Amino acid sequence: NAGVTQTPKFRVLKTGQSMTLLCAQDMNHEYMYWYRQDPGMGLRLIHYSVGEGTTAKGEVPDGYNVSRLKKQNFLLGLESAAPSQTSVYFCASSYQEFVGQYEQYFGPGTRLTVT
Amino acid sequence: KQEVTQIPAALSVPEGENLVLNCSFTDSAIYNLQWFRQDPGKGLTSLLLIQSSQREQTSGRLNASLDKSSGRSTLYIAASQPGDSATYLCAPQNDYKLSFGAGTTVTVRA
Repeated sequence: NAGVTQTPKFRVLKTGQSMTLLCAQDMNHEYMYWYRQDPGMGLRLIHYSVGEGTTAKGEVPDGYNVSRLKKQNFLLGLESAAPSQTSVYFCASSYQEFVGQYEQYFGPGTRLTVT
Repeated sequence: KQEVTQIPAALSVPEGENLVLNCSFTDSAIYNLQWFRQDPGKGLTSLLLIQSSQREQTSGRLNASLDKSSGRSTLYIAASQPGDSATYLCAPQNDYKLSFGAGTTVTVRA
């Protein structure tokens, strides 16, 4: 049981390049999330999904797109990378254990630098 | 929009001292609250989850309290050890989404 995994662990992009971050979970969780973490700030929600085939915007969605074609995978895309997107990206998943209780489990993160 | 504040931002204590980490949030209509630990360059590890109907939750040397009506939670770590050095994040849950504070960075000196 690997939990939540993220690929790649590190990446350096030039401004204007595109890339896709992959998140995979083997816990059969319905809900998946993408966050970014910047120095001195808490994690901020980029996009999330409440089930296969669904996506929704979070707090900071501009410049990112997502897809959830399979229940176990959640992809985060940067179409045209900008230096402001330099950050650490975390993926998480959760399920409703009890009514209103969604404990989130996090992946190890992807460190992205845009030059 | 849920706003989360954690005080202090950093804390340095000698080994053996008890730690008190504070978290406040603006929207009290939460389902539960999670406390996480983050080591440098690593992901988040869930420490405790307190349901909105609970007043406190304990796990080993960790105890977290929740006062939902006043928008406050406190994490207590008893008899701190150097291995407790990390950043601790508080995250109240509204619907199925978490909001995070910036964290309290703890250093326990041997």
